[in-house]
Amino acid sequence: NAGVTQTPKFRILKIGQSMTLQCAQDMNHNYMYWYRQDPGMGLKLIYYSVGAGITDKGEVPNGYNVSRSTTEDFPLRLELAAPSQTSVYFCASSYSIATPGQGPVTDTQYFGPGTRLTVL
Amino acid sequence: KQEVTQIPAALSVPEGENLVLNCSFTDSAIYNLQWFRQDPGKGLTSLLLIQSSQREQTSGRLNASLDKSSGRSTLYIAASQPGDSATYLCAVNYVEAGSYQLTFGKGTKLSVIP
Repeated sequence: NAGVTQTPKFRILKIGQSMTLQCAQDMNHNYMYWYRQDPGMGLKLIYYSVGAGITDKGEVPNGYNVSRSTTEDFPLRLELAAPSQTSVYFCASSYSIATPGQGPVTDTQYFGPGTRLTVL
Repeated sequence: KQEVTQIPAALSVPEGENLVLNCSFTDSAIYNLQWFRQDPGKGLTSLLLIQSSQREQTSGRLNASLDKSSGRSTLYIAASQPGDSATYLCAVNYVEAGSYQLTFGKGTKLSVIP
């Protein structure tokens, strides 16, 4: 298994440009996640998906969009890049079971290698 | 709002020493807690996951404990090695306003000196 793959590894954007960060997993996981990691700030959840066709906002969703048309792919789109979006972006996946009234019982999350994005 | 704190921010120990990393969280209504390792310029690798009903998990030289009521978790590393040098992150899984959330601490940077 390749696990979680992300492309590109590095990208430089100009303010106002748009781009899509690609993420794919081959473990048949139902949950997928996008995080951003800023220096000294830890990771923050941008969006997540509990399955194909279902997405939801995390802690910092503004300026981003996601879609989940297949189990394997979970792209993250930046429509109008801003310097505040300079960060390292990580995609992750896990197998999770939603328990009625208790929320998801989440298995181990597997992370991709990250995409380092700079907006100038 | 859930907040996760890790102390210390950095730790340097000689090889062979046993050590403890600390993680605290403000809201005890969590579903699980995970410990991750991150090497410089790399993604995260999950080390241990403790469900809310569990008290501890062990993997090799690593042991993680969870005290949900007091909002604390510890990661114990036995007989540390230079290869253990990395940043260690803890994260708590919970639901807020019907949405899944995962909040990370800022990490503890560990250096094991040969």
